[in-house]
Amino acid sequence: NAGVTQTPKFQVLKTGQSMTLQCAQDMNHNSMYWYRQDPGMGLRLIYYSASEGTTDKGEVPNGYNVSRLNKREFSLRLESAAPSQTSVYFCASSERDYYYNEQFFGPGTRLTVL
Amino acid sequence: GENVEQHPSTLSVQEGDSAVIKCTYSDSASNYFPWYKQELGKRPQLIIDIRSNVGEKKDQRIAVTLNKTAKHFSLHITETQPEDSAVYFCAASTPVYSSASKIIFGSGTRLSIRP
Repeated sequence: NAGVTQTPKFQVLKTGQSMTLQCAQDMNHNSMYWYRQDPGMGLRLIYYSASEGTTDKGEVPNGYNVSRLNKREFSLRLESAAPSQTSVYFCASSERDYYYNEQFFGPGTRLTVL
Repeated sequence: GENVEQHPSTLSVQEGDSAVIKCTYSDSASNYFPWYKQELGKRPQLIIDIRSNVGEKKDQRIAVTLNKTAKHFSLHITETQPEDSAVYFCAASTPVYSSASKIIFGSGTRLSIRP
C-alpha cells in the first residue's frame, strides 16, 4: 500500500516550457487535491477534484490545469512555466466521508523555473 | 470563503517545557480541524485532529482544544522533545456533503526545541 505517490521528485524548467506533474493514490479515495508550498508559507490549494469526473479551482489556479484521469490519478499541468511557479507541489487525497475531510499527502515535487 | 490565521509564526521553547500554537477560523460552518507536522524536506503528516462535536482531544503529549463560539482552536505539546522541532500547520474544513468542501491551511508555526 504505497499511499499517495508523485512523479517526478525534482524538476528544473526554463521559462515558457510545459510539464505535467503526476499523482496517484491506491487508497480508493474519492477526492484529490493539488497544493503549492512556497518558503515560509503554508499550503495553498491550486485545484481539487471532489470526485472522479469533477474538478474545481482552489485559491491559486492561474497558470495551471488539471485532469482527473480516473479515480486513482490526478495530474497538474503547467502550460507555460514562469519563475513565480517555482515551488514545492504536494498532491493529497481524502477519504471524504460524509462529514469529514481527512487528507493524506504525497512526498512532493520540487519545481524550479529558471 | 474560509480564512485561517495561525500564531505565532515561530516559537522556541526549552526542552521539557510546553508549546502552544493558536489558530482562528472565519467560517462558522467548519466542522473539522486537523493539525499537520512537517519536518524539513518532508510531506505534511497528520498528528491530531478534532471534530466540531467535541471540545478537546488528547493523544499522549499532544492535545487540541476547540472553542466553536470564539472560532479558535489550539495545539498543546507537553514535555517537548528535540524531535518535536518542525513546522506545524493548522487547518479548517467545512462539511464534505457540500461539494465545495476543502481544507484551508494556516501559514504555519516553526517550532524549535532548545536543548
